[in-house]
Amino acid sequence: AQSVSQHNHHVILSEAASLELGCNYSYGGTVNLFWYVQYPGQHLQLLLKYFSGDPLVKGIKGFEAEFIKSKFSFNLRKPSVQWSDTAEYFCAVLVDTGRRALTFGSGTRLQVQP
Amino acid sequence: DTEVTQTPKHLVMGMTNKKSLKCEQHMGHRAMYWYKQKAKKPPELMFVYSYEKLSINESVPSRFSPECPNSSLLNLHLHALQPEDSALYLCASGDRFGGLLFFGSGTQLSVL
Repeated sequence: AQSVSQHNHHVILSEAASLELGCNYSYGGTVNLFWYVQYPGQHLQLLLKYFSGDPLVKGIKGFEAEFIKSKFSFNLRKPSVQWSDTAEYFCAVLVDTGRRALTFGSGTRLQVQP
Repeated sequence: DTEVTQTPKHLVMGMTNKKSLKCEQHMGHRAMYWYKQKAKKPPELMFVYSYEKLSINESVPSRFSPECPNSSLLNLHLHALQPEDSALYLCASGDRFGGLLFFGSGTQLSVL
């Protein structure tokens, strides 16, 4: 069965610092990859997605992620974080089996200090 | 604001109560989902409905009973819950491929 690992459980950054959150998955076939974000007190929402094509994908609010197939990774990046980026970030994978449902990673809590 | 509406937002129930959670979407999605989320944990899939038919049941205890009356509505009937069932229950809808999900704000459930 597929799994998703997020090794950074809690990240604390100062405003304007650069961000990279790690995400690794275990599955040998075709995958679709996602990052979802949950701001404090708000619903989960899609940040960005990768289906195929250019492995560097751009999402909302200046976030981007790079799919590196050889490393089974889909790391999330942002050049300069803001206090409003404080949230929980979940990486998720959808695999090419009949089970059409996301598998989520354990999440990374990002705290941006002003 | 999310386009998936869940009611109620908060629910407190005793272990002998029967209650229902409701979810509604009008985006024309034909797949609807129930997830359970404990504090500081990722969402855990409970059920998936595709074209109003139950397609995935993640071995959820029978005290949780899902229902999909039509393509816009999803219910979760609760009966004889345990305190460990206290959690945020999230509804989501999406296309039939399963990845692009729109989540509701959830129902925060406390079982006493």
